[in-house]
Amino acid sequence: AQSVTQLDSQVPVFEEAPVELRCNYSSSVSVYLFWYVQYPNQGLQLLLKYLSGSTLVKGINGFEAEFNKSQTSFHLRKPSVHISDTAEYFCAVSDRAGGYNKLIFGAGTRLAVHP
Amino acid sequence: DARVTQTPRHKVTEMGQEVTMRCQPILGHNTVFWYRQTMMQGLELLAYFRNRAPLDDSGMPKDRFSAEMPDATLATLKIQPSEPRDSAVYFCASGVSGGELFFGEGSRLTVL
Repeated sequence: AQSVTQLDSQVPVFEEAPVELRCNYSSSVSVYLFWYVQYPNQGLQLLLKYLSGSTLVKGINGFEAEFNKSQTSFHLRKPSVHISDTAEYFCAVSDRAGGYNKLIFGAGTRLAVHP
Repeated sequence: DARVTQTPRHKVTEMGQEVTMRCQPILGHNTVFWYRQTMMQGLELLAYFRNRAPLDDSGMPKDRFSAEMPDATLATLKIQPSEPRDSAVYFCASGVSGGELFFGEGSRLTVL
């Protein structure tokens, strides 16, 4: 079984500052890793995913994440945030053997960008 | 613009009533998932289907919840009888095996 821990429930940051949202996972098998974003009253939208290959993954809206197998982490970063990045961010894992789509989510991190 | 459509978007009902939530997956997608989102538990996987066959519903309370796919264009999640602790946002998501999951906008259920 897999699990995901998002270490910060809320992250406040000023506009144009860098941000890192932390995610650690636990799994006895190889996994795929994802970050999703949820804006108020909306569904989840895929930001980026790690399947294989380069451990640095670039996604939409200027976000990137780095897969670190030894630390079982997949932290999300953005060098300069905008007010519009205010949302809830979810890290997710899926078991490679069990199926690409079956996602187990972390508890979420609420990013609040202040002017 | 292909998207997952969920109905109703909002539902308020009284304890003991039956609730049915519907999902129209994106045409051509062969996997469908139901998730429940609450403040306390976050996003929980309730059930999922591949090619209309239920693969896993271990996350679903069996005594009151049921999930079906009558055809490729419709997935349903039914709660009977509903309880206040079922209040949550229920998300449907669809995808193709090996591809990205697309989420609907959710059905917000309030059970009084």
